[in-house]
Amino acid sequence: ETGVTQSPTHLIKTRGQQVTLRCSSQSGHNTVSWYQQALGQGPQFIFQYYREEENGRGNFPPRFSGLQFPNYSSELNVNALELDDSALYLCASSLDRGSWDEQFFGPGTRLTVL
Amino acid sequence: GENVGLHLPTLSVQEGDNSIINCAYSNSASDYFIWYKQESGKGPQFIIDIRSNMDKRQGQRVTVLLNKTVKHLSLQIAATQPGDSAVYFCAENKGSQGNLIFGKGTKLSVKP
Repeated sequence: ETGVTQSPTHLIKTRGQQVTLRCSSQSGHNTVSWYQQALGQGPQFIFQYYREEENGRGNFPPRFSGLQFPNYSSELNVNALELDDSALYLCASSLDRGSWDEQFFGPGTRLTVL
Repeated sequence: GENVGLHLPTLSVQEGDNSIINCAYSNSASDYFIWYKQESGKGPQFIIDIRSNMDKRQGQRVTVLLNKTVKHLSLQIAATQPGDSAVYFCAENKGSQGNLIFGKGTKLSVKP
């Protein structure tokens, strides 16, 4: 196991609702990245947080937002849910920005939007 | 667990054989590449990386080859084991920017 935990494991929402996903980073890691993985696809980068500041964002609309807390845990918020938001949401923590070889992924949260 | 292998290209090998998984990356300016393994119900797991100033790198039972001319990356797994069964993704990065770009993935099935 990587030491990165995510909650909840699964959840079901309906279109238009809002959702908050949570990630606890590995001890000592100050950087958290979020990815969306549709079924049968590779993960797509949503954004990265470094020491509580956003440090890069992928091609996702503003209704995808995030936070990183002083303990470096993180939240992903998605407003006005759409059917296409159904996916596995992965967070990954790393020792520092660009420490890809020390980036560890959590098991993901499976979001289903009906 | 999560069926991350749905609709992915599949490579089926016999236990003990060598496996070669290929990846075409998208950005000629990318300078860092990673191979990940993703088992059902888990997040991707780092296997091996390579920088663009190298064309080959070896790890334990794995070798990554990089051909920048044709933007091609391969992962070779020696003496493939049932525990190697998973979906394998390549990922690329440019200039230590905040994002990794993942490829589509290949599902490896190892027959005992």
